[in-house]
Amino acid sequence: KNQVEQSPQSLIILEGKNCTLQCNYTVSPFSNLRWYKQDTGRGPVSLTIMTFSENTKSNGRYTATLDADTKQSSLHITASQLSDSASYICVVSPPSYKLIFGSGTRLLVRP
Amino acid sequence: GAVVSQHPSWVICKSGTSVKIECRSLDFQATTMFWYRQFPKQSLMLMATSNEGSKATYEQGVEKDKFLINHASLTLSTLTVTSAHPEDSSFYICSARGPIRTDTQYFGPGTRLTVL
Repeated sequence: KNQVEQSPQSLIILEGKNCTLQCNYTVSPFSNLRWYKQDTGRGPVSLTIMTFSENTKSNGRYTATLDADTKQSSLHITASQLSDSASYICVVSPPSYKLIFGSGTRLLVRP
Repeated sequence: GAVVSQHPSWVICKSGTSVKIECRSLDFQATTMFWYRQFPKQSLMLMATSNEGSKATYEQGVEKDKFLINHASLTLSTLTVTSAHPEDSSFYICSARGPIRTDTQYFGPGTRLTVL
């Protein structure tokens, strides 16, 4: 069964600190893996996208990694800001159109 | 580029009434549009997939007579929640996929529906 699991479910960090969010998936094969940021009451916004052959992708303070052998991905946020408080969703796209969503990690950055 | 809009952004209605939500692709032609529902602290759940000019494909457990989907043009899809009930209160998000980047869905900002 295609699944995407994320950890932790929620995370609280102090402003300026770094953090790493995890994503484990069983989807195989897959076209790409994306990390989305979803602010409360808003739609998801794409942060990074990686194909199965890519190991890392950066977007400003966001860096995603992918290990296709272990079927794991991580999203690292450096120098966190208050505006980083949001849910971060790992989404795997199999060759079909239907996306497989993780349940998300809710991040709270405190001053 | 690749902007998807939704209207309204929020709506409050009385139980038993119908509500229409619009999803538009502003700068590309969306051959396929998707409708998702998201309950608090949960991830997005796909409700249905619609291809322009054809009937929508609904996911298991989604009532097609309750959630009417129309995708009459390449830039507009509508979701109508008929005879809404309080349990239909949720956050509804659409996404659109173009003819070129078929592996990419662009999400709208969502519509918050509250049924009293």
